[in-house]
Order: sequence, then C-alpha cells, then structure tokens
Amino acid sequence: AQSVTQLGSHVSVSEGALVLLRCNYSSSVPPYLFWYVQYPNQGLQLLLKYTTGATLVKGINGFEAEFKKSETSFHLTKPSAHMSDAAEYFCAVTVGSAGNMLTFGGGTRLMVKP
Amino acid sequence: EPEVTQTPSHQVTQMGQEVILRCVPISNHLYFYWYRQILGQKVEFLVSFYNNEISEKSEIFDDQFSVERPDGSNFTLKIRSTKLEDSAMYFCASRGTGGTGELFFGEGSRLTVL
Repeated sequence: AQSVTQLGSHVSVSEGALVLLRCNYSSSVPPYLFWYVQYPNQGLQLLLKYTTGATLVKGINGFEAEFKKSETSFHLTKPSAHMSDAAEYFCAVTVGSAGNMLTFGGGTRLMVKP
Repeated sequence: EPEVTQTPSHQVTQMGQEVILRCVPISNHLYFYWYRQILGQKVEFLVSFYNNEISEKSEIFDDQFSVERPDGSNFTLKIRSTKLEDSAMYFCASRGTGGTGELFFGEGSRLTVL
C-alpha cells in the first residue's frame, strides 16, 4: 500500500520569498505523484503531476516539483510567493495506470505575508 | 472548461436521517469517485465506480453507504442513517479513460450531522 507524508501542516512565507512544501511518499511500485491545491470554499484543483519521464515537472501558477526516487520525495516549489498562493496544498500518490485510489497527504496550509 | 458539479453545497441533517449527495461528473468520463475530508484531517478515499459497479472501496465505506448512477449523468452517494462522525466535506471526482490517473474534483458538499 502507498502512503504520503507532508512535513509541516502550516507554512508561512513572505510575499516574494521561495515556497517549499515537502512531500515524501511510500510505494512498493513506481508511483504517479500529484499536487492538488484547495482555495477556500473550493474543490481540489490539479497543480501538477509526475508520471514517467522528466523528473522535474512544471505546473500552473509557476509551481514546479521534482521527483527524487532516491529520496522518495516530490517537493513542491515556487521561486516567488504571491498573496494569491495562500491555500491548502495536498500531495497525492497512486500506483499503476488505473489511478483508482489516490492516497492523499495531510495537507499543508500555505500562508503568505505581505 | 468541463467541470464536476456537486449538490448541495451544504446540508445539515439530524443523526439517523438519510442523506443523498449528488454529483454530475464530466460528461465523457467513465470513472467516478467519492472522497471525504473530516475537518482538519486528510482527504480520504471512500469508493470508486466504473461500468455501473463499485471497483474499489475503503474500510470507511460500510453498509451505511451506497453509490448509484441512476440516469447516466448523476452519480450519488447515499448515507442511510447518518452518524455524528459522518460530518465532513464530501468530494466527488471523475476521470476519463487512458491518461495518467488525473482526477477532476468537484467543489464538495459539506455535511453537518447534529
């Protein structure tokens, strides 16, 4: 079975600062990895995903994540935070091509200070 | 852009009452899911549905829960006799064939059981 750990339930950065949200996964087979964002009172929106190929993946709103198999990590970064980035971010993993069961991490709430 | 829609956005019910949460998945999608998020906790998988039957379900999805696709467009989650601990945000998601397992989520239905 797969699992996901997100270090830090709350992260606070200043506007313009680097954003780093950590995600580590556990999977016995090659995983598919996802980052979803949830803005207040909204659903889950896909930011980016890793399936195969290039380990550095770029997503919407300037976010990117790098799949590091040796570290079983898929950390999310953005060079310069914007106030509009304040939201809850969820890392998720699934295995195989079916993607039947996404397993989510506990989420990280990103706060951006002016 | 096609989206998953859920109704109601918020429902308050008394313990022991039946609740039906409704979802309209993206029209050409064939895989459907329900997830839930208890306040302050992680997003949890409940059930997946394909070809008019449940393909996978979690331990949470006990006999009190059922899903149905009654008319080819709606996908419903029924809770037969609600308990206090059923209070949560319920997310519907859908997925097309092929691809890499990306799920498209609705905005959620918040259920409050009193």
